[in-house]
Amino acid sequence: ETGVTQSPTHLIKTRGQQVTLRCSSQSGHNTVSWYQQALGQGPQFIFQYYREEENGRGNFPPRFSGLQFPNYSSELNVNALELDDSALYLCASSSTRGSYEQYFGPGTRLTVT
Amino acid sequence: RKEVEQDPGPFNVPEGATVAFNCTYSNSASQSFFWYRQDCRKEPKLLMSVYSSGNEDGRFTAQLNRASQYISLLIRDSKLSDSATYLCALPNRDDKIIFGKGTRLHILP
Repeated sequence: ETGVTQSPTHLIKTRGQQVTLRCSSQSGHNTVSWYQQALGQGPQFIFQYYREEENGRGNFPPRFSGLQFPNYSSELNVNALELDDSALYLCASSSTRGSYEQYFGPGTRLTVT
Repeated sequence: RKEVEQDPGPFNVPEGATVAFNCTYSNSASQSFFWYRQDCRKEPKLLMSVYSSGNEDGRFTAQLNRASQYISLLIRDSKLSDSATYLCALPNRDDKIIFGKGTRLHILP
């Protein structure tokens, strides 16, 4: 196991609602990246947090936002949910922002109806 | 060329055979490459990192061809448990790790 945890494991929301997903990084890791993985696709980079600051963002709208806390755990918030937001949301931790080796949590499966 | 491109497969291979699949990339400046294994409805798990011309770990070999900008994964003596989706990953021009769509592998008994 990687030591990266995510909660909740599954979530069902209605279009227009807001959701918060949580991630605890591996001990000693200060960098967290979030990915969205739709069915049959590879993970798509949403953003990365390093020492509580956003450190790069993919092609996702502003309604996708995040936080990183002093203990390096992180949250992903999505506002105004759309049906296309249904996906597996993966959190990956790495030892520092310059390290490319990432270790994933089990993911949160979000269904938007 | 797409940033990272993989043949989606599926590759249906008899147990014990050797199988190889490629991943092409557009960022010629990339120095680091990764293969992840993802089982159905699970998270990706790091299989192999490649920082030079290649890497070998047991039955798995990754080879990098910088001139043609692709990285390959070779699996020898395939096992039923090798059935999974194999994702290629590398840093993009913004230095963030991006993934291909993955190649599905089915090992047949």
